[in-house]
Amino acid sequence: EPEVTQTPSHQVTQMGQEVILRCVPISNHLYFYWYRQILGQKVEFLVSFYNNEISEKSEIFDDQFSVERPDGSNFTLKIRSTKLEDSAMYFCASGTVDSTQYFGPGTRLTVL
Amino acid sequence: TQLLEQSPQFLSIQEGENLTVYCNSSSVFSSLQWYRQEPGEGPVLLVTVVTGGEVKKLKRLTFQFGDARKDSSLHITAAQPGDTGLYLCAGAFPNAGKSTFGDGTTLTVKP
Repeated sequence: EPEVTQTPSHQVTQMGQEVILRCVPISNHLYFYWYRQILGQKVEFLVSFYNNEISEKSEIFDDQFSVERPDGSNFTLKIRSTKLEDSAMYFCASGTVDSTQYFGPGTRLTVL
Repeated sequence: TQLLEQSPQFLSIQEGENLTVYCNSSSVFSSLQWYRQEPGEGPVLLVTVVTGGEVKKLKRLTFQFGDARKDSSLHITAAQPGDTGLYLCAGAFPNAGKSTFGDGTTLTVKP
């Protein structure tokens, strides 16, 4: 069964460093998403991406964040200058036109 | 801000009991998903409901979408310890935009 994959599973970085989180969505999906979940808190929407552009973003997704689909398979989330409060699980999801979203296993980002 | 409220927040029951989890909103959704999440893992899709009044069954789990597409329920029959986990509902808006997640219901089924 097709699934969303994410790498790395765990990323540790120093405050102020750039990180790139990578995702491979399900191949025939057209809609892509990033969410984050701070430990013990709810899943929060960051950004949705369709037709090679951002379709919606939350207030969390400020100028420090960017997304890219550099080729036909990968979907990346970049954080330019990480802050302590960026520590969280980051989930990629891909979806279909009926808005069903399939989530990857997540990347745990730890900012020291 | 669209909000999804789930209740109860925590539920602890004995094996074999039945339970219902609720997901309510003032917003109308184009579809609603139920997920189950284990600690440290991503949410796993259980079901998508699209039509008002729709009922879907997945073994011992029954999902219902409200007639007005603002609320949903998840009913588990004869709960088992393997049902233990965090159950999340997520409401989706037209044109596959963002999904809004509820806070979740943490279910514990004791043997």
